[in-house]
Amino acid sequence: GAVVSQHPSRVICKSGTSVKIECRSLDFQATTMFWYRQFPKQSLMLMATSNEGSKATYEQGVEKDKFLINHASLTLSTLTVTSAHPEDSSFYICSARHRGTSAGDTQYFGPGTRLTVL
Amino acid sequence: GIQVEQSPPDLILQEGANSTLRCNFSDSVNNLQWFHQNPWGQLINLFYIPSGTKQNGRLSATTVATERYSLLYISSSQTTDSGVYFCAVYWDTDKLIFGTGTRLQVFP
Repeated sequence: GAVVSQHPSRVICKSGTSVKIECRSLDFQATTMFWYRQFPKQSLMLMATSNEGSKATYEQGVEKDKFLINHASLTLSTLTVTSAHPEDSSFYICSARHRGTSAGDTQYFGPGTRLTVL
Repeated sequence: GIQVEQSPPDLILQEGANSTLRCNFSDSVNNLQWFHQNPWGQLINLFYIPSGTKQNGRLSATTVATERYSLLYISSSQTTDSGVYFCAVYWDTDKLIFGTGTRLQVFP
């Protein structure tokens, strides 16, 4: 149980295009999902917290107009990188927390999406 | 904000060796998890351990919350243990803050 999927697993795009990444909880409902970014040989950095039916909460330094997050259902959150540039190239990972659990309860992670912007 | 430091940053072992990875954090936390990130990037939950000691096969973890550290023990290491180990702490209600990581390489 507690499987989280991401699609696509890998994407290469040209500078200036927008890329959408999907995060799905396959066997549970998730009122809260999280988006992280990981640069090569670095740790994961929390970008934003996504709550179903409400606006996402972004961490300091993360441009909300650049990284659009939508959490339209209890099993799906999307991250859209708008007008992507080479510096946006990174590994994007989502996680989800079971509906009904409390803040601080365990999160389950997707396999990640590797974005390369040419 | 909270700082989460892991040591050592890199560790090279021969198969069969034991090791201890350390995670120090600078503030009180709600909870703590240990993860293994495999070479493909997938994060695998190892332990959810706010305090005390847990064991799972060759791995065990101990968290001493009052002293703000956690330890991950790997015994009889195998090549499949290679990868990056992260601790992550739950802070400020629901934020999961990742540590700096320990990169482990196990050679046959």
